[in-house]
Amino acid sequence: EIVLTQSPGTLSLSPGERATLSCRASQSVSSSYLAWYQQKPGQAPRLLIYGASSRATGIPDRFSGSGSGTDFTLTISRLEPEDFAVYYCQQYGSSPYTFGQGTKLDIK
Amino acid sequence: QVTLRESGPALVKPTQTLTLTCTFSGFSLSTSGMCVSWIRQPPGKALEWLARIDWDDDTYYSTSLKTRLTISKDTSKNQVVLTMTNMDPVDTATYYCARTRPGYSADYWGQGTLVTVSS
Repeated sequence: EIVLTQSPGTLSLSPGERATLSCRASQSVSSSYLAWYQQKPGQAPRLLIYGASSRATGIPDRFSGSGSGTDFTLTISRLEPEDFAVYYCQQYGSSPYTFGQGTKLDIK
Repeated sequence: QVTLRESGPALVKPTQTLTLTCTFSGFSLSTSGMCVSWIRQPPGKALEWLARIDWDDDTYYSTSLKTRLTISKDTSKNQVVLTMTNMDPVDTATYYCARTRPGYSADYWGQGTLVTVSS
């Protein structure tokens, strides 16, 4: 089973700043099948990035994903007020399709 | 447009079996490449992947829960059912179903249903 470790646990930044979130896998993720989700309080998660670097439909281009193998990154180039939320990575290359523990992005 | 909705009991007693139904529209589970997954989230905690069923009836389960889970589909009703046996208070969580496509992961989610396990 692939274990995903996200860092940092909490990231405190101001609107307009750049956010860099990390997701590290315990073994290589098959075919770069790594997704990122955003979750706001009381809402279901929303798919942001799939295939490590492809933006889902309707996702602004300030969100970008990169990485391969065991190291992946979600970057938000300029934070908007609505971006403050919890972010999860998930690998869906090999079952069981595990999630990371999440990174909370909050307003500094 | 794609929609999913979870339904089931809000409260179950310890040792009981939980049955949740995901009713969806906007896609068919008989279409090649379509799948439905179940994910849960205890209050204030992280997402946990539970199970997936594919268009070709392949099923996949969480390693730690596989002895307690069964996922099935009724293509004619556009429904996926998840059963979890021997419920415990630690299983208290919001349970989500999501459309899943290999290569795209979970692109549409239901709003979730909160299940509380308590006597």
